[in-house]
Amino acid sequence: GIQVEQSPPDLILQEGANSTLRCNFSDSVNNLQWFHQNPWGQLINLFYIPSGTKQNGRLSATTVATERYSLLYISSSQTTDSGVYFCAVKSAGGSEKLVFGKGTKLTVNP
Amino acid sequence: NAGVMQNPRHLVRRRGQEARLRCSPMKGHSHVYWYRQLPEEGLKFMVYLQKENIIDESGMPKERFSAEFPKEGPSILRIQQVVRGDSAAYFCASSRTGTVLYEQYFGPGTRLTVT
Repeated sequence: GIQVEQSPPDLILQEGANSTLRCNFSDSVNNLQWFHQNPWGQLINLFYIPSGTKQNGRLSATTVATERYSLLYISSSQTTDSGVYFCAVKSAGGSEKLVFGKGTKLTVNP
Repeated sequence: NAGVMQNPRHLVRRRGQEARLRCSPMKGHSHVYWYRQLPEEGLKFMVYLQKENIIDESGMPKERFSAEFPKEGPSILRIQQVVRGDSAAYFCASSRTGTVLYEQYFGPGTRLTVT
């Protein structure tokens, strides 16, 4: 099945810093989503981005489907950005399930 | 504008008991997915259902686990004779249809602890 790798696994930032999280996938996809799991365990939808670029406030994402990667940018980070960021993909092979990466754990210190 | 609802949020069961987890999809959504998250890991797909139909159960353990999404009422994930290894967070997601055009939205999860 499709493999999803996220990097880095852990990231520690000072408040105000910028960061880039990466998601590589091993096969063609027709859906890609980014999620933020907050310290209380809730999964928040950030982006639905099978291709192209989207922006939402301080966050933006780019997916280059032909090169099988996606990037999540966080600018001017805040302590509330702390948590785990997951990338999840649907393989173009037909299954409706999302396959998740192992996540990037972000800690933003004041 | 209610999102995906799951209950209970926390569930404690002794080994050998049954656990029933409930999920109500977002309004207008007719497709439900269950995922399991073990501690310090990503989410793993378990099962995909539409009303009265199981579409894909390739991620479900072969024994003790079952799921349903009846015509009326929430989707149920049932775990019989729970063991300590079943302790995890169980997330439900829903989408408008099963096509690639629609994203999945997740509920708050049910945290199952088996003692």
